[in-house]
Amino acid sequence: DGGITQSPKYLFRKEGQNVTLSCEQNLNHDAMYWYRQDPGQGLRLIYYSQIVNDFQKGDIAEGYSVSREKKESFPLTVTSAQKNPTAFYLCASSIKALGRGTGELFFGEGSRLTVL
Amino acid sequence: AQSVTQLDSQVPVFEEAPVELRCNYSSSVSVYLFWYVQYPNQGLQLLLKYLSGSTLVKGINGFEAEFNKSQTSFHLRKPSVHISDTAEYFCAVYILTGGGNKLTFGTGTQLKVEL
Repeated sequence: DGGITQSPKYLFRKEGQNVTLSCEQNLNHDAMYWYRQDPGQGLRLIYYSQIVNDFQKGDIAEGYSVSREKKESFPLTVTSAQKNPTAFYLCASSIKALGRGTGELFFGEGSRLTVL
Repeated sequence: AQSVTQLDSQVPVFEEAPVELRCNYSSSVSVYLFWYVQYPNQGLQLLLKYLSGSTLVKGINGFEAEFNKSQTSFHLRKPSVHISDTAEYFCAVYILTGGGNKLTFGTGTQLKVEL
């Protein structure tokens, strides 16, 4: 079955540690996205990538980094510079890049990061 | 700036009663509209979408929504809810500006269905 796989589902980290969240898709979609979800705030865009080896900052990129070395993979690193990293992180993809498609997103199951 | 407003953060309703979840957006240009559902600790699933054509859109699980361009609204409705509909619902608007299309999510509405 085609879809988006995020791992790990739950992650605990100590303050000052970097952590990387994995996102893999086998849908052959061009674009991939990372969102952060906090209670009552909806989804906020962290980074997105419309093509391999290229990515753009979203609305809340500070303290995060990404890479897009392969079409199917878009890992997110939460660095120690992120002041409040405890949140639910969602990876998504779209068939085409923004401006070329309908904007419909396909989501993974999410990763919940807790900083102790 | 474009925005999406979901006026109700929580909507309690009894099982088998009708429900309407409201979504308004601010844009004077063309839009595509979406409703997503999120069950606890899961990702978002697409319920329905409006791209063009009939303004009444039918989705999965018996939900439907109506696009009202003059009121810039896209309210979600279900005539009879079930316990399993308890979830958070997000409205999303894809604004077609030609130079920088943008997808914006509302803050979500928690639907709680009670016996």
